[in-house]
Amino acid sequence: EAGVTQFPSHSVIEKGQTVTLRCDPISGHDNLYWYRRVMGKEIKFLLHFVKESKQDESGMPNNRFLAERTGGTYSTLKVQPAELEDSGVYFCASSQGNTQYFGPGTRLTVL
Amino acid sequence: AQSVAQPEDQVNVAEGNPLTVKCTYSVSGNPYLFWYVQYPNRGLQFLLKYITGDNLVKGSYGFEAEFNKSQTSFHLKKPSALVSDSALYFCAVSKVGSYIPTFGRGTSLIVHP
Repeated sequence: EAGVTQFPSHSVIEKGQTVTLRCDPISGHDNLYWYRRVMGKEIKFLLHFVKESKQDESGMPNNRFLAERTGGTYSTLKVQPAELEDSGVYFCASSQGNTQYFGPGTRLTVL
Repeated sequence: AQSVAQPEDQVNVAEGNPLTVKCTYSVSGNPYLFWYVQYPNRGLQFLLKYITGDNLVKGSYGFEAEFNKSQTSFHLKKPSALVSDSALYFCAVSKVGSYIPTFGRGTSLIVHP
């Protein structure tokens, strides 16, 4: 069974540009989550989808971040315009219960 | 609010020796507790969890953790460390019934040959 996949693995952009991260969850998992880890700090929750609906987006830092989950399958997280403080590793996870399975993450560097 | 403390940024242990990675938590009500491991250039990998029942939980790769309610701790242990155990370990807690865990800052485990 394929795990959670994320694309790209790395992204380097300049301040003000737009970046879109993609996550493909484990097939059949209704729950999809986005997290972010800034260097050396905690992994912070961003938002939670149940199928295509946003269940909890309390962790989204501001309106420069937009997450979608088309048809309840893959999800995208767009940052527009990117700022320096958006740099970090963005993890996606999926679950069908209380155990979350994580993808390898996307390392975003904003210069 | 819930929180997790991993008091050690780094733990060093010799191969073959027992290892402990510490975790304490704070949550209102009963907790769900998790350990994840991140190997270099890989995503977080689930190791084990405590939901209910036996306080000693056994997980992948010979790891185990003990839930101690009075001390609000969930330390990760392994009787005999391997060099391949070297990685970043994250403890996480959520309230019973919640899908959203709170993670600690991570502890880097280095096992020396």
